[in-house]
Amino acid sequence: EVQLLESGGGLVQPGGSLRLSCGASGFTLRSYAMSWVRQAPGKGLEWVSAISGSGGSTYYADSVKGRFTISRDNSKNTLYLQMNSLRAEDTAVYYCAKILGGGDYVVDYWGQGTLVTVSS
Amino acid sequence: QPVLTQSSSASASLGSSVKLTCTLSSGHSGYIIAWHQQVPGKAPRYLMKLEGSGSYNKGSGVPDRFSGSSSGADRYLTISNLQSEDEADYYCETWDSNTHELFGGGTKLTVL
Repeated sequence: EVQLLESGGGLVQPGGSLRLSCGASGFTLRSYAMSWVRQAPGKGLEWVSAISGSGGSTYYADSVKGRFTISRDNSKNTLYLQMNSLRAEDTAVYYCAKILGGGDYVVDYWGQGTLVTVSS
Repeated sequence: QPVLTQSSSASASLGSSVKLTCTLSSGHSGYIIAWHQQVPGKAPRYLMKLEGSGSYNKGSGVPDRFSGSSSGADRYLTISNLQSEDEADYYCETWDSNTHELFGGGTKLTVL
């Protein structure tokens, strides 16, 4: 059974940093691209970042480019999102997501989410 | 880049059927999409991958009541024999040539 478990969320001041982690199990992590998707309170889903299975390719939404860094450690079955220079508008639930694969770049499994609140 | 357009809300009666629509922007009618369900207070759940041909592949454990179809730039999610637990937000998703994922604005389904 595929399981994705996020951690690392919390309250941080504007301009601060936070690192999210996502532990993966039930599948071979290195074989799949992974994404982070967020959802601001009362809003829809917003894609944040993605990374290829090997980690050699990374992709970012314009809203986080230059501030967030996605990475992975396949030996530890873990995905990360380093978030720097945080802003109030980054407040959201952050979901770790597995990509379907086979050339189809859509999510087929979601984590339960971790809440990030940026406030003074 | 493709844009996905969804109606903001829909409603249907318990036991009836409802068809939700996700429309791809001009020039992107051949794109594959995915449908996701998000029950209030919960994480999203993958329902299915849907191709322009109308062929779809459902996720693990998705009930038979959920099906997909396509017509031109429109991608549909049909839920038959509506249950109270189907009341949720439904999102469609695709990706662009830069491997950036895109989501529609979501449709809030109310079961009457």
